[in-house]
Amino acid sequence: AQSVTQPDIHITVSEGASLELRCNYSYGATPYLFWYVQSPGQGLQLLLKYFSGDTLVQGIKGFEAEFKRSQSSFNLRKPSVHWSDAAEYFCAVTTSGTYKYIFGTGTRLKVLA
Amino acid sequence: EPEVTQTPSHQVTQMGQEVILRCVPISNHLYFYWYRQILGQKVEFLVSFYNNEISEKSEIFDDQFSVERPDGSNFTLKIRSTKLEDSAMYFCASNAGGTDTQYFGPGTRLTVL
Repeated sequence: AQSVTQPDIHITVSEGASLELRCNYSYGATPYLFWYVQSPGQGLQLLLKYFSGDTLVQGIKGFEAEFKRSQSSFNLRKPSVHWSDAAEYFCAVTTSGTYKYIFGTGTRLKVLA
Repeated sequence: EPEVTQTPSHQVTQMGQEVILRCVPISNHLYFYWYRQILGQKVEFLVSFYNNEISEKSEIFDDQFSVERPDGSNFTLKIRSTKLEDSAMYFCASNAGGTDTQYFGPGTRLTVL
């Protein structure tokens, strides 16, 4: 069955430290991959997406993600975290032939001053 | 920048009552979606809608749910007889089509008492 796994439910980092949020997917077809961020009381904001081409994609707010087909992963990274990055981060996947996104369970990021 | 809007932001209802959640998708988008997120759980796909028809739906989207595009701008989700387990955040999304990025609204928090 199609699935997305975000192994880390909670992550705490200090402001200025680097960040990596993990995402693994299980999908039979070519995946299209997304990272969304959800701040408290807010909707889902797109950070970045991967459809094809360069496997390292750049997004908003200084985030990047790397698609590794051999590992079925699409990890999100940021070299230096800001306090305003505290939020919940969701990885999502879809493919051609379907309309639905399948989301991971999310990773809640806490940033220490 | 155009955005998806949803009303109301919070809806409280009694079990067994009908509720209608409203969404205004981005104006040039053709595909519309509803997702829900039960507190503490992942975002789940409910239904997609294109050309005045449901194009895909999940097993959650049973006979108690319906969607409609009553005019050129609104997209609604109706729950005929709400249950306690319908309490969740409901997100509307839209896109131009296919695997194009889906843009999410801020959500409606539905509380069923």
